[in-house]
Amino acid sequence: AQKITQTQPGMFVQEKEAVTLDCTYDTSDPSYGLFWYKQPSSGEMIFLIYQGSYDQQNATEGRYSLNFQKARKSANLVISASQLGDSAMYFCAMREGRSNTDKLIFGTGTRLQVFP
Amino acid sequence: DVKVTQSSRYLVKRTGEKVFLECVQDMDHENMFWYRQDPGLGLRLIYFSYDVKMKEKGDIPEGYSVSREKKERFSLILESASTNQTSMYLCASSLGTGGITDTQYFGPGTRLTVL
Repeated sequence: AQKITQTQPGMFVQEKEAVTLDCTYDTSDPSYGLFWYKQPSSGEMIFLIYQGSYDQQNATEGRYSLNFQKARKSANLVISASQLGDSAMYFCAMREGRSNTDKLIFGTGTRLQVFP
Repeated sequence: DVKVTQSSRYLVKRTGEKVFLECVQDMDHENMFWYRQDPGLGLRLIYFSYDVKMKEKGDIPEGYSVSREKKERFSLILESASTNQTSMYLCASSLGTGGITDTQYFGPGTRLTVL
């Protein structure tokens, strides 16, 4: 079974609009961390935002926020006021607390295109 | 700012060649990782290292080896390159706190083509 599922291969959004990128996860570990990365066409993976399983509040970082619904096992990324520079691949990833490898498990990504 | 650099952005090699991909981080991170990225498959862990001269296999270590002689440098080695190793290779490093908050920071990637 997939541990991280991103069901949207591609998304379009108009500039200045908000967009939500979906991510669901599967783990039986009570302790885990969820990460979102952005990968522009240049290839570098850029860390955006982090949410811990015990965090009481949804994480926010500037225009990025994480809609964390623990019971549904979802951690959707919300980008507000989209900009043309937001066009990129976005990856959701998870680290399980019981893992002794610090390994991140990645989803297959969502390609976001922002149009004027 | 964390800086992770990789020796080449693009590399073209022939089948059977020995290939070295180099990664250097400048933040004194304990952990370093090598991933490969293929369309539709996301990122998959090849090897990682949590200390100098220490290494652990990831999910797809076959056909690869690694070397970490110095803390800041982690090398990925393809002993005999094959066409199915054509891919994007990404190096990452993390502080190594062992906690779930330990963020991995990535280099720019090396796009390897094996002919």
